[in-house]
Amino acid sequence: DAGVTQSPTHLIKTRGQQVTLRCSPKSGHDTVSWYQQALGQGPQFIFQYYEEEERQRGNFPDRFSGHQFPNYSSELNVNALLLGDSALYLCASSRQVVAGLAGVWTDTQYFGPGTRLTVL
Amino acid sequence: LAKTTQPISMDSYEGQEVNITCSHNNIATNDYITWYQQFPSQGPRFIIQGYKTKVTNEVASLFIPADRKSSTLSLPRVSLSDTAVYYCLVAEANQAGTALIFGKGTTLSVSS
Repeated sequence: DAGVTQSPTHLIKTRGQQVTLRCSPKSGHDTVSWYQQALGQGPQFIFQYYEEEERQRGNFPDRFSGHQFPNYSSELNVNALLLGDSALYLCASSRQVVAGLAGVWTDTQYFGPGTRLTVL
Repeated sequence: LAKTTQPISMDSYEGQEVNITCSHNNIATNDYITWYQQFPSQGPRFIIQGYKTKVTNEVASLFIPADRKSSTLSLPRVSLSDTAVYYCLVAEANQAGTALIFGKGTTLSVSS
């Protein structure tokens, strides 16, 4: 059973360019979250996708956008790259759990290996 | 947002038990506590998760007191390969989704 996979592993871009990162969730998972991790810092939440819609978003500009496909895989797009966008981009997958009257909740998130983006 | 506070770093020797304590004074009723381990240039690895009392799996134990304002991750008999950053998280769960809010974590260094 494959875990969360991400591609590419490494990427080098120049300022102003656009980049697309890809994530395939763990089997049985339907929710994908994206995180950015700068060197020496903890991961920062970018957004979460479920049922092909953005459900929740962190404090990131509109240059960061995403998409989720019917097979639950996801893409993260970053436009007009800045030097400060250099980071490890992490994808985490999870599943939604129906908790009776409490509604639908997100279960444990499992992370992929990440994509190392370098902006020159 | 429930914030967590944990030690920046800890040192240990192989074979010892390591306890990392995390405080989360503003934890909400629906929040649960999760710990992740991360090696350099890799994604965080889920270790353990709990809501109250004690949870144990093949890797670690998690102790949560009744007031839930703190938690302790216990790693029995650590080895050199346990050298990593350990993150304590209080998952902000709601029906719009769950954003994991990471701090800087605890860097555990295990020596022989």
